[in-house]
Amino acid sequence: GAGVSQSPSNKVTEKGKDVELRCDPISGHTALYWYRQRLGQGLEFLIYFQGNSAPDKSGLPSDRFSAERTGESVSTLTIQRTQQEDSAVYLCASSLGTSGSRFNEQFFGPGTRLTVL
Amino acid sequence: QQPVQSPQAVILREGEDAVINCSSSKALYSVHWYRQKHGEAPVFLMILLKGGEQKGHEKISASFNEKKQQSSLYLTASQLSYSGTYFCGTVLLFSGGYNKLIFGAGTRLAVHP
Repeated sequence: GAGVSQSPSNKVTEKGKDVELRCDPISGHTALYWYRQRLGQGLEFLIYFQGNSAPDKSGLPSDRFSAERTGESVSTLTIQRTQQEDSAVYLCASSLGTSGSRFNEQFFGPGTRLTVL
Repeated sequence: QQPVQSPQAVILREGEDAVINCSSSKALYSVHWYRQKHGEAPVFLMILLKGGEQKGHEKISASFNEKKQQSSLYLTASQLSYSGTYFCGTVLLFSGGYNKLIFGAGTRLAVHP
């Protein structure tokens, strides 16, 4: 079966431009997560969607970052007025996320490498 | 809230053992372990729940001490394929759900022949 897919795989942009990153989760997964991973660093939580509930946006670093999810499918992460410090790999993950299940391992996509010049 | 992992890096010879630790300052509901190879996405290894249940890899073991808010990942008879960066992710107790993971900074493991 298909895993989590992300597009584009690489994005080079100029400082100040807006970028949109896309994530297609595994079909049937109600939970979707975005993380940022700077070079050689750990996984930094950004935002979490669970079904139709309001997303947990507590990890978004600034108001330049926003994300949307259409139902239980595709999600887009938008970064406005990009800065050089936004350069990183942006990883998306999905999980079953059902409220009664406690074993919700996350399946990660390959990531989008964003470079801001 | 970020859990603390130790050591930061480990170098092993094939066949040697290693222990990676993950410590939280807050009460935990569960601990997850993932491995990331260079240039690849993280891959699930194990989940350990408060109360003793766990799910995961047959060849890798882990423990979860709820009182100490710590987890340890045990890699025995290491193989070259074990090389990578190991991340623990924690779900806080009373966080309102089972899914929001906060990851540690990672432990780099290199296994040499």
